[in-house]
Amino acid sequence: GQQVMQIPQYQHVQEGEDFTTYCNSSTTLSNIQWYKQRPGGHPVFLIQLVKSGEVKKQKRLTFQFGEAKKNSSLHITATQTTDVGTYFCAGALRNTGKLIFGQGTTLQVKP
Amino acid sequence: NAGVTQTPKFRILKIGQSMTLQCTQDMNHNYMYWYRQDPGMGLKLIYYSVGAGITDKGEVPNGYNVSRSTTEDFPLRLELAAPSQTSVYFCASGAGYEQYFGPGTRLTVT
Repeated sequence: GQQVMQIPQYQHVQEGEDFTTYCNSSTTLSNIQWYKQRPGGHPVFLIQLVKSGEVKKQKRLTFQFGEAKKNSSLHITATQTTDVGTYFCAGALRNTGKLIFGQGTTLQVKP
Repeated sequence: NAGVTQTPKFRILKIGQSMTLQCTQDMNHNYMYWYRQDPGMGLKLIYYSVGAGITDKGEVPNGYNVSRSTTEDFPLRLELAAPSQTSVYFCASGAGYEQYFGPGTRLTVT
């Protein structure tokens, strides 16, 4: 079946360092979404990428969607302790309304 | 708006017991979903619905049942609970692809 793989599983960084998580799908996606889950919380929608090669920024966060619409990345510049949590990518399958979630990358930030 | 609400927040079940996890949304979304999240893992889709009266299986439907009689409500039924169903259950709703999650139900089966 369709799979979305996400790496790395864990990342520990010093505050101020950059962080990147990568997402790869076994099939072409209609769009890709990113969610953040704080410890003990629920996933919260961050952004959706739809177009091939699309790049979007939210303050220190940069999201990219690959040309083939099969991979994506999230880059955080100069991490802060408020960035702590697990970041999930989720691939949307065309005309189904369903998302296939990656396993997530848990980010720890040392002050 | 309350968004997506789930009850209960916590529950302990004995093996073989049954229960219903409640989920309600007040955003008039057509799409609703049930996921389970095991420790340190991603979200696995159990069932989803594209509108009242329509439900379909996700990746891990065995041991669960759902119904969708109204737009607002999407309860998840566990029959004959097993230890493998110990997990955190999230309900979500959406109008297209973006999904809004409830706070979750932490279920332990012993």
